[in-house]
Parts: sequence; C-alpha cells; structure tokens
Amino acid sequence: EPEVTQTPSHQVTQMGQEVILRCVPISNHLYFYWYRQILGQKVEFLVSFYNNEISEKSEIFDDQFSVERPDGSNFTLKIRSTKLEDSAMYFCASTKESPSTDTQYFGPGTRLTVL
Amino acid sequence: EDQVTQSPEALRLQEGESSSLNCSYTVSGLRGLFWYRQDPGKGPEFLFTLYSAGEEKEKERLKATLTKKESFLHITAPKPEDSATYLCAVRRIGGSYIPTFGRGTSLIVHP
Repeated sequence: EPEVTQTPSHQVTQMGQEVILRCVPISNHLYFYWYRQILGQKVEFLVSFYNNEISEKSEIFDDQFSVERPDGSNFTLKIRSTKLEDSAMYFCASTKESPSTDTQYFGPGTRLTVL
Repeated sequence: EDQVTQSPEALRLQEGESSSLNCSYTVSGLRGLFWYRQDPGKGPEFLFTLYSAGEEKEKERLKATLTKKESFLHITAPKPEDSATYLCAVRRIGGSYIPTFGRGTSLIVHP
C-alpha cells in the first residue's frame, strides 16, 4: 500500500541553524501538508501546498518557514534559523484530490531536536 | 472557532475489557470527522471517516459512531497491540478545509 515517507527520522541541530525536512507524498496525491506536534501536545497545522504554491498557512508558519516541491516527488519544509521552541515532531501528509473531502494520510514524522 | 475535546485523556484497560473513547466537537457544519491511531514516535494512522449523524464504521475490534455533537470509538475485547493514542479530528463545511485535532486519548491495554 502506498505511503508517505519522511527523512530523516531524527534531526539534531544547533539553535540558529537551518534545517530541511524532506517528504515523499503518495505518488498520485495532489495536496501536501506539514504539521507539527510538540511533545505531549496536539497535532498542529503549519501549511498546505497545491500546484506549486501555498494554499493555506497557519500563524505558526512565519517567515522562518518555507516549503518547496523541488521535483516531481519531494516536498520539503525549511526552517531558516531554528529556535529551541521548534523542537517537535514534524509530519508530512497528503490527500489525493479534494482537500475538503479526501482523507489526509500522514508520514512517520521527523523528530527535530534544537539544542 | 472549531473545538475538539477528547476524553478521557488516558485509559487503562485489561485485555478483553471493552470500553469507549469520546470525541466531543463544536463546528459550524461538519464535513467530516476522522479517527486516527498514533503509536509513540510515529505519525497518525488513518482509521475512519464519519460524515453524518447515525453513521457507523467498523474495523476489527474498533467501531466508530457519530452523533451531532460527539463521536465514540468503541473498542471491543481489546488486546495489548491496541495500545496507542487515538486522535479525533474534525473538518468543517466552508472556510478552511484543514482538520482540527483533539489532544487524543492514550490507551494502554494490559495483558
């Protein structure tokens, strides 16, 4: 069964460094998302992406964050200058066609630790 | 603002002891309610989508039901491998299509 994959599984970085988290959505899906989950907290929406542009973003997704689909398979989240409070699990998700009706399928996540 | 409240926060069961998890929601028109299972350090795994009051869906030992204000995830004769956090999320009609998640119920099933 097709699934969303993410790399790396764990990323440790120093405060102020840039990180890029990578995702490969399910191949025939058109809508892509990033979420984060701080330890013990609920899953929070960051950004959605369709047709090579951001379709929606939350207040968490500020100028430090950016997303890109550099090729036909990868979807990346970049954090330009990491802060301690960016430490969290980051999940990529995708939906097939309609974002308003289709189910979101999540990847296994990247654990980001900012020291 | 959409709200999703899950209860209890944590639940411990003995193997074979059936129980239910609750998801109460407030949304201006429900487009869909989702149940996910999340194992520690993993991403949410899709279980069910419910769309209208009265709808029920089943998968192995799990059964999800929906009313106009809440959803229940019934677990019948649970096994230790059912131990996980169960997340509920709602998507509303109109406006943002991004689902709002609850905090989850952490279920531990003891052998």
